[in-house]
Amino acid sequence: DIQMTQSPSSLSASVGDRVTITCRASQDIKKSLAWFQQKPGKVPKSLIYSGSSLQRGVPSKFSGSGSGTDFTLTISNLQPEDFATYYCQQHNTHPYSFGQGTKLEIK
Amino acid sequence: EEQLVESGGGLVQPGGSLRLSCEASGFTFGSYWMTWVRQAPGKGLEWVGDIKQDGSEVYYVDSVKGRFTISRDNTKNSLYLQMNSLRGEDTAVYYCARSGRIVVVPATWGQGTLVTVSS
Repeated sequence: DIQMTQSPSSLSASVGDRVTITCRASQDIKKSLAWFQQKPGKVPKSLIYSGSSLQRGVPSKFSGSGSGTDFTLTISNLQPEDFATYYCQQHNTHPYSFGQGTKLEIK
Repeated sequence: EEQLVESGGGLVQPGGSLRLSCEASGFTFGSYWMTWVRQAPGKGLEWVGDIKQDGSEVYYVDSVKGRFTISRDNTKNSLYLQMNSLRGEDTAVYYCARSGRIVVVPATWGQGTLVTVSS
């Protein structure tokens, strides 16, 4: 099975900052990587699939890149509503799997 | 508007069974893969399994294989998760999600239903 590892586990940033979260797969998953956002007590929200394709309605401040085993999620011009936990998930090989999450907090 | 509504959660004793349902509306249910994801209290997301449009392919995470069964009824726009031999580590909020036609990534999520396995 494919293991997904996110770094860092937590991150502090300020409003207006640009941040990058990294996700690494234990084997080649081509571009089959998705990103999700979850706020405390809320339902997860889908952001990106296939490495860099935005889900419908997701603003362009979110961007994804990478292929193979190394991927990044970049969030530009951080706003208060962006502070949340972010998860990556590989969708290349069943069983699919999530990373452990990265908590983005306000500095 | 796409909507997914889960039901069937609750308190069950270890070794017991529970059947979750997910009723879909606002989209052509039979055209999409469907996915179950769970989240234990205070923990991260865990992919549980998914099912192809016609039910011909079903996949599970190793920890639930042989105990959980995913099924669907396209005539009722409904997805199901039959959970048997439940364990304490199955305690979680269970989400159903509408995934893509080809790219099987959750796009629309239900509100979740809590399953608590405890004596």
